[in-house]
Amino acid sequence: RKEVEQDPGPFNVPEGATVAFNCTYSNSASQSFFWYRQDCRKEPKLLMSVYSSGNEDGRFTAQLNRASQYISLLIRDSKLSDSATYLCVVNAGSWGKLQFGAGTQVVVTP
Amino acid sequence: DTAVSQTPKYLVTQMGNDKSIKCEQNLGHDTMYWYKQDSKKFLKIMFSYNNKELIINETVPNRFSPKSPDKAHLNLHINSLELGDSAVYFCASSQRQATYEQYFGPGTRLTVT
Repeated sequence: RKEVEQDPGPFNVPEGATVAFNCTYSNSASQSFFWYRQDCRKEPKLLMSVYSSGNEDGRFTAQLNRASQYISLLIRDSKLSDSATYLCVVNAGSWGKLQFGAGTQVVVTP
Repeated sequence: DTAVSQTPKYLVTQMGNDKSIKCEQNLGHDTMYWYKQDSKKFLKIMFSYNNKELIINETVPNRFSPKSPDKAHLNLHINSLELGDSAVYFCASSQRQATYEQYFGPGTRLTVT
């Protein structure tokens, strides 16, 4: 089983619609969770951290479910510029070691 | 005012050659990393340095040797390149070693022919 699993998609989303997707992680000791965004042929960039109580950043909402070991990302009012691959990231112990999922591709269409 | 920079951006070379990739960060961060992203898009950590000291060394062939001359620079030297080394290599940095927010460089696309 992979450490961090994501549905690769693509999720084809009409502009203005809402899209949500999950990622599951295998290490129950993980404490820190993030969503990164990666545009085609570009570097990953931190989108948001995921806190236990859930958190929102503009149109983006992240949730953590420790019991079932998954995190989710919801994007409201999708924009064309939201088209990207969203990487689920979980810490894998100390020393700043991160475990990346393979990403979920989102394609927002006009 | 690029935060994390890498050179070169593209590298095409033949099997058996030795090549280096350079990384520099101007964020004043203590910790730097090398990641490999293969064709399946998985990003895997290779090495991490904190204040010039190696702190993470994943199962990487010893043909790969990182060097950190100072905390703002982390270079990656690869000996005897193989076809399977073809990938995008990303450098990243974070403020401290246990800080999980990492800032990535633009990547070096290595193609071994």
